[in-house]
Amino acid sequence: GQQVMQIPQYQHVQEGEDFTTYCNSSTTLSNIQWYKQRPGGHPVFLIQLVKSGEVKKQKRLTFQFGEAKKNSSLHITATQTTDVGTYFCAGSPNSGYALNFGKGTSLLVTP
Amino acid sequence: GAGVSQSPSNKVTEKGKDVELRCDPISGHTALYWYRQSLGQGLEFLIYFQGNSAPDKSGLPSDRFSAERTGGSVSTLTIQRTQQEDSAVYLCASRYSGANVLTFGAGSRLTVL
Repeated sequence: GQQVMQIPQYQHVQEGEDFTTYCNSSTTLSNIQWYKQRPGGHPVFLIQLVKSGEVKKQKRLTFQFGEAKKNSSLHITATQTTDVGTYFCAGSPNSGYALNFGKGTSLLVTP
Repeated sequence: GAGVSQSPSNKVTEKGKDVELRCDPISGHTALYWYRQSLGQGLEFLIYFQGNSAPDKSGLPSDRFSAERTGGSVSTLTIQRTQQEDSAVYLCASRYSGANVLTFGAGSRLTVL
């Protein structure tokens, strides 16, 4: 079955440093989504990418979808303590199928 | 409702007992998902309901797990003869049929002693 892998599993940065998490799928995806889960909270939707090679930005966050639609990345510029949490990517081979989540990257930001 | 509502928020049970977890999705959301998240782990897909179609049960870990969705709205996840390894947060999510985005509930934390 389809698998979604994420690396790294953990990342500890100093406030102001950049951070990147990578997501790879064993199969081509129709779209990829990113979610953020704060400690003690539940996953909250951040963004969806649909097109091959698509790049979207949300303030300090930049999301990319690979040309082959099998990988994606999330880059945070100049991290802040509010960025702390676990970032999950999720994808499915077709719309209407169950979303498969990666294991997430837990980000810790120290001031 | 305004969001996805799950109950109970916390459940402590003894090994061997049955438990029921409830999910009330956002009104009008036709798709409903159950995921399981063990401590510090990712989201493990359990089951997916879409409208009146047969549910995708491919993620249920054993026949002790079952779920139903009545009237296309509220869903109940039932775990029979609970085991300690069933301890986790059970997350429900729903989505509108015209979108892919999931809205999660706050989860039900299950502890099996």
